Amino acid sequence: EVQLLESGGGLVQPGGSLRLSCAASGFTFKNFAMTWVRQAPGKGLDWVSEISGIGGSMHYAEAAKGRFTISRDNPKNTVFLQMRSLTAADTAVYYCARRRGDVFDYWGQGILVTVSS
Amino acid sequence: DIQLTQSPSFLSASVGDTVTITCRASQGISRYLGWYQQKPGKAPRLLIFAASTLQGGVPSRFSGSGSGTEFTLTISGLQPEDFATYYCQQLDTYPITFGRGTRLEIK
Repeated sequence: EVQLLESGGGLVQPGGSLRLSCAASGFTFKNFAMTWVRQAPGKGLDWVSEISGIGGSMHYAEAAKGRFTISRDNPKNTVFLQMRSLTAADTAVYYCARRRGDVFDYWGQGILVTVSS
Repeated sequence: DIQLTQSPSFLSASVGDTVTITCRASQGISRYLGWYQQKPGKAPRLLIFAASTLQGGVPSRFSGSGSGTEFTLTISGLQPEDFATYYCQQLDTYPITFGRGTRLEIK
């Protein structure tokens, strides 16, 4: 059974940093691109970043460029999202998801990041 | 960036009804479109990919169609568990984008 479990969220002050992790199981991790999607309270879904299976290719939404870094540790079946210079606009539930071809077929349960003083 | 415009943004319907949600892309995306269902407090669930292919385990009352710039999601014979928010998503071009959602509520 495919499982994705996010961790590392919480309350952070404006300007602060946070690193999210997503531990994967139930599939051959290195064979799949992984992605992060966020959802601000009461709002829709916003794609944040994606990393290829072997980690050689990364893509970012404009709002994440220069502040967020996606990475992965294939032996540990984990994908990360390092977030810096956080603002209130980054407050959201962050989901990791597996990309299979041209869809996100499995999603984690989400982790809340709150940026507030 | 490719914009996805969903309509309607809100839909009220009854159990047993058939409803259709439209997703229009600001430029052609071939058939690189997916549909997701999300219930409050839960992660999105993939329903349809490649515009019309049903994800495994999704009831056959869900169907998708379209290509290029116009796509539809149809739910035939609404069930109580179908009342949720629905999103379209394009993966033709980075940045990947979602529609703003269609909230389906019980009349």
